[in-house]
Amino acid sequence: DTEVTQTPKHLVMGMTNKKSLKCEQHMGHRAMYWYKQKAKKPPELMFVYSYEKLSINESVPSRFSPECPNSSLLNLHLHALQPEDSALYLCASRKQGGSYEQYFGPGTRLTVT
Amino acid sequence: AQSVTQLDSQVPVFEEAPVELRCNYSSSVSVYLFWYVQYPNQGLQLLLKYLSGSTLVKGINGFEAEFNKSQTSFHLRKPSVHISDTAEYFCAVSDRGTSYDKVIFGPGTSLSVIP
Repeated sequence: DTEVTQTPKHLVMGMTNKKSLKCEQHMGHRAMYWYKQKAKKPPELMFVYSYEKLSINESVPSRFSPECPNSSLLNLHLHALQPEDSALYLCASRKQGGSYEQYFGPGTRLTVT
Repeated sequence: AQSVTQLDSQVPVFEEAPVELRCNYSSSVSVYLFWYVQYPNQGLQLLLKYLSGSTLVKGINGFEAEFNKSQTSFHLRKPSVHISDTAEYFCAVSDRGTSYDKVIFGPGTSLSVIP
């Protein structure tokens, strides 16, 4: 299994809603990432988890709250988002120890109304 | 700080013609280099990577890239493109030290293959 899955594929939420994005991998990778990608732009790193601990937070607003409940699962909790947060949210994972490429999921297309 | 430049934002090319997508980077430390492809409405997929060793790297789908340390470049090439190669291509860099998790992506090159 060389796949990173993300649910839901699409999400529309109001500015007062609370929602969560989910990412799962069963490749035994111990590093997992959240990226934000606006249209026609490259992905921007948001968070990195290494061995289920948050290792990098790229000064992301607190309305985005990541969680890594176990080595296979990564969540991104959303609360009080702004319309400018509308984007494609990509999850990725990486095998620790000498392999530096990241495996990406298909993304969740988020629209904030 | 690292940065990645992809000089061509859009590259149109006829089917079966060769293509080169250019990538230059700047970094004060040694780096790892990657090319990723993103098809419409999909995530990113690794085409190839340079970690060390031979400067000519072969990847999937007939792509290859050459690392040139003196010119700080990592250009992507394919001798004959297909319609299915139409996609967005991102060059990326991370440093060899403790910050290898911070991958910096270039702005992307949109490759359009014309039948």
